[in-house]
Amino acid sequence: EAQVTQNPRYLITVTGKKLTVTCSQNMNHEYMSWYRQDPGLGLRQIYYSMNVEVTDKGDVPEGYKVSRKEKRNFPLILESPSPNQTSLYFCASSVDRGINSPLHFGNGTRLTVT
Amino acid sequence: AQKITQTQPGMFVQEKEAVTLDCTYDTSDPSYGLFWYKQPSSGEMIFLIYQGSYDQQNATEGRYSLNFQKARKSANLVISASQLGDSAMYFCAMREGQGAQKLVFGQGTRLTINP
Repeated sequence: EAQVTQNPRYLITVTGKKLTVTCSQNMNHEYMSWYRQDPGLGLRQIYYSMNVEVTDKGDVPEGYKVSRKEKRNFPLILESPSPNQTSLYFCASSVDRGINSPLHFGNGTRLTVT
Repeated sequence: AQKITQTQPGMFVQEKEAVTLDCTYDTSDPSYGLFWYKQPSSGEMIFLIYQGSYDQQNATEGRYSLNFQKARKSANLVISASQLGDSAMYFCAMREGQGAQKLVFGQGTRLTINP
């Protein structure tokens, strides 16, 4: 089944403890992206990648890192999480960055930082 | 300025009725794509339907159709014969030709289907 898989679904952590949210897609998509969703602020892009070893900042990149060493994987790293990073996170992928390419989303990771 | 505007924070509809969810967009790029997503209470984002700026016909996917009025810059989602399982948040989104590195989302409309 074609899908974007992100793990974990739920994560509770403490301030400053490094964490990684994994994302993998099995559709051979070139483009991958991370979004966060917050009440009242909607969905905002954190980082995106147009291909292997090509990543760039989105609208809210502060406090996050990403890497794209393989086409299928695009992990999101929080080196020193803070409470303002408590959010619902989505990984998404599309065939390419074309205007007719829908993003396919993972099931989301609900992160709580205390 | 808001690129995508969804003016209906919430809508309540009787089961089996048709419902229209409004979306207006703002772009000066002649090339763009418009998308609708459904987010049930379980949280996942589900792609529903796509309309390209150069498409001559309105997109349809099963019970979903898109009422695309280019001159008005509107792309309303129409759900025919609504079902209880249609209760969810619905997001309109746009990908512009010059900025296609991201999908820009509206604030969403919460649709509730009453039995």
